[in-house]
Amino acid sequence: DADVTQTPRNRITKTGKRIMLECSQTKGHDRMYWYRQDPGLGLRLIYYSFDVKDINKGEISDGYSVSRQAQAKFSLSLESAIPNQTALYFCATSALGVGGSYEQYFGPGTRLTVT
Amino acid sequence: GDSVTQMEGPVTLSEEAFLTINCTYTATGYPSLFWYVQYPGEGLQLLLKATKADDKGSNKGFEATYRKETTSFHLEKGSVQVSDSAVYFCALSEGSARQLTFGSGTQLTVLP
Repeated sequence: DADVTQTPRNRITKTGKRIMLECSQTKGHDRMYWYRQDPGLGLRLIYYSFDVKDINKGEISDGYSVSRQAQAKFSLSLESAIPNQTALYFCATSALGVGGSYEQYFGPGTRLTVT
Repeated sequence: GDSVTQMEGPVTLSEEAFLTINCTYTATGYPSLFWYVQYPGEGLQLLLKATKADDKGSNKGFEATYRKETTSFHLEKGSVQVSDSAVYFCALSEGSARQLTFGSGTQLTVLP
């Protein structure tokens, strides 16, 4: 089984709808992240969480909210979806690796289309 | 703020050709540097990393050396295979938050 899972894998929704993307991990990591990927822009950080009570905004948090329900679960919500939120969304977890760097481990992604 | 600049793609090579994907960075301190690879339909996987100047990261025949004097971390492979076709992302991490800053990605296609 995958260490970082995301549901749904694909979603089409209409403008103005509320949608939640879910992420679960079995790696036991404290840190979790949400990114969006757009063609030609790489990945940009939306929100990150160092533990259940520590949630922080990333580079592009406007229009998004998150919930860290447990160490293993981190959800991303779009309260009122708009077409420019059409993108590929990735969840990631991290832990301290060899050499003192935090290595991130990514889920398979959720492709969201807002019409 | 921090930033990462990668060579623009797409890059198309024949099997067994030499690969270089350029990556330069801007950072205020001493970041850790990474290369991630994304195969079609999948999430990103860590390919290699380097945490201090002059370190060389290597994995699966790929190499990159952390060059502080040129603020670069170029990815190289001596002989690419069709299975190396993917998108490659250069990234850095620094500061207490340790979040990753990514380059825009380079699409590599290797033809048989």
